[in-house]
Amino acid sequence: KQEVTQIPAALSVPEGENLVLNCSFTDSAIYNLQWFRQDPGKGLTSLLLIQSSQREQTSGRLNASLDKSSGRSTLYIAASQPGDSATYLCAVKEGGGSQGNLIFGKGTKLSVKP
Amino acid sequence: DAGITQSPRYKITETGRQVTLMCHQTWSHSYMFWYRQDLGHGLRLIYYSAAADITDKGEVPDGYVVSRSKTENFPLTLESATRSQTSVYFCASSAMRDEQYFGPGTRLTVT
Repeated sequence: KQEVTQIPAALSVPEGENLVLNCSFTDSAIYNLQWFRQDPGKGLTSLLLIQSSQREQTSGRLNASLDKSSGRSTLYIAASQPGDSATYLCAVKEGGGSQGNLIFGKGTKLSVKP
Repeated sequence: DAGITQSPRYKITETGRQVTLMCHQTWSHSYMFWYRQDLGHGLRLIYYSAAADITDKGEVPDGYVVSRSKTENFPLTLESATRSQTSVYFCASSAMRDEQYFGPGTRLTVT
């Protein structure tokens, strides 16, 4: 059974710092991996989607990498800002027979202090 | 450009009552999903649908019923609500196996 783990569960950094959020998964047979942001009391906002054949994706200050063989993904946030404070979730979509459901990690709660 | 909407946004109901959560998307995405989010468990899939009239169970389907008569709607019904179903419910949609887009959520409290 696929399991997704995100470490650390919480992270506090000063504004301007570059940071890395980690995501690991137990079964490397994934179809894609998606990073989300969730603000308190809100829904999930998709940040980046990496297909299984890709190594990384970039959007603005965000860069996500994928190493399928080791079962790892990282989300790099450059020059962090207080507005980046949120919970970041990674989720993998399994390959094979499953039709499209995501398996989520429990998230990393990021706090960026001014 | 409504995207994906959920109603109601907040609901309080009593144990044993039937309650239906609505989900509507304007993209004509083939796939739709229902998740619940609980502290300590994260997001878990309840049911999903690959197309109109095609639904399948996810990780935690017990106590829930879904239907999908139209591509754009995917209601979730709790036939006899229990306190353990107090949660935040998210609907999502995607085109085939691509990126999933989430609704704003429904916060359900069962008393």
